[in-house]
Amino acid sequence: KNQVEQSPQSLIILEGKNCTLQCNYTVSPFSNLRWYKQDTGRGPVSLTIMTFSENTKSNGRYTATLDADTKQSSLHITASQLSDSASYICVVSGRNTDKLIFGTGTRLQVFP
Amino acid sequence: DGGITQSPKYLFRKEGQNVTLSCEQNLNHDAMYWYRQDPGQGLRLIYYSQIVNDFQKGDIAEGYSVSREKKESFPLTVTSAQKNPTAFYLCASSMSWGYNEQFFGPGTRLTVL
Repeated sequence: KNQVEQSPQSLIILEGKNCTLQCNYTVSPFSNLRWYKQDTGRGPVSLTIMTFSENTKSNGRYTATLDADTKQSSLHITASQLSDSASYICVVSGRNTDKLIFGTGTRLQVFP
Repeated sequence: DGGITQSPKYLFRKEGQNVTLSCEQNLNHDAMYWYRQDPGQGLRLIYYSQIVNDFQKGDIAEGYSVSREKKESFPLTVTSAQKNPTAFYLCASSMSWGYNEQFFGPGTRLTVL
């Protein structure tokens, strides 16, 4: 069964600190993986997308990595800001399906 | 939120009533989607439309209905047959079916009283 699992479920960090969120998936054959940021009560917004051949992609203070062999991805946030407080959702697409498989998300809270 | 709007932002409904959620996009996208988001669960696909006048059931279509009479609009009706309709509903669109850069609207929170 195609699944996407994220950890931790929730995370609290202090402003200015770094953090790393994890995503493991079983989707096969794999097409691409996205990380979305979802502010409370809002729709998700895409941060990065990576295909099979890419192992790292940056978007400002956000850096995503992908290991297609172990089916793992991580999202690293550098020098966190209060505005980083949100849910971060990992979304995987398979090559044989047009549907997206969504993880349950990691709820990040950044405190001053 | 891009060029996708959803209305209303909050919606309250009594049990037994049908209610329609609006979704409009000005991105000239062919494909549109409706998702449901519940606490602790990933987004689940309710219905999708690849092109005008066509739509398909997603993974949890029971108790919902849609129409796609215009390219820009994809309204979702939550019927009284939906047993647990309280949730956050998200509409999305993409350039075409299979092009999975999906852009999401701001969502509608539906509460059944």
